[in-house]
Amino acid sequence: EAGVAQSPRYKIIEKRQSVAFWCNPISGHATLYWYQQILGQGPKLLIQFQNNGVVDDSQLPKDRFSAERLKGVDSTLKIQPAKLEDSAVYLCASSLDHFPGELFFGEGSRLTVL
Amino acid sequence: DAKTTQPPSMDCAEGRAANLPCNHSTISGNEYVYWYRQIHSQGPQYIIHGLKNNETNEMASLIITEDRKSSTLILPHATLRDTAVYYCIGVDYGGSQGNLIFGKGTKLSVKP
Repeated sequence: EAGVAQSPRYKIIEKRQSVAFWCNPISGHATLYWYQQILGQGPKLLIQFQNNGVVDDSQLPKDRFSAERLKGVDSTLKIQPAKLEDSAVYLCASSLDHFPGELFFGEGSRLTVL
Repeated sequence: DAKTTQPPSMDCAEGRAANLPCNHSTISGNEYVYWYRQIHSQGPQYIIHGLKNNETNEMASLIITEDRKSSTLILPHATLRDTAVYYCIGVDYGGSQGNLIFGKGTKLSVKP
């Protein structure tokens, strides 16, 4: 079974530039999550989708971050404009509805903002 | 905020059992205790979960105290590949639909 796919694995940008990350969840998983993990900390939830609807985006800095999940499958997370403090690993995860605590994570996209 | 507390780091000798403690005295009666681990440069990986009873799978065992205020994850025969950060997380099936709130976890170092 294919896992959660993310791209790109690494991205380096200047502050105030924009960046987009892509995630393809495990087939059949209705729920998709984006987490931000700053070095030395545990992952922090940014946004949670169920199918193509947003369940929780309370931690998403909406002035610069946006996310969408068109057709309830793939998802993109965009940052515009980026700040230095956005340097982090962005993790995508998916889960089946009836196992809400069992998330499958991708390898993450590491962003460095200079 | 995370509802669990864990020691920041632990060491374990290769081949010995690794016992990772977690305090969760404030979790509700509906909250399951989940354990994940994160190997360097990878995403977190699910290990095991439980509510009241002890649980065992091919990766680990989970011992939950009768009062549910704490639990211990046991890796019976630790290998070098078990070196990782281990997270203990409370998950409420009835509320957050699986929103995992990660703390800083325990960094387990398995030494030869």
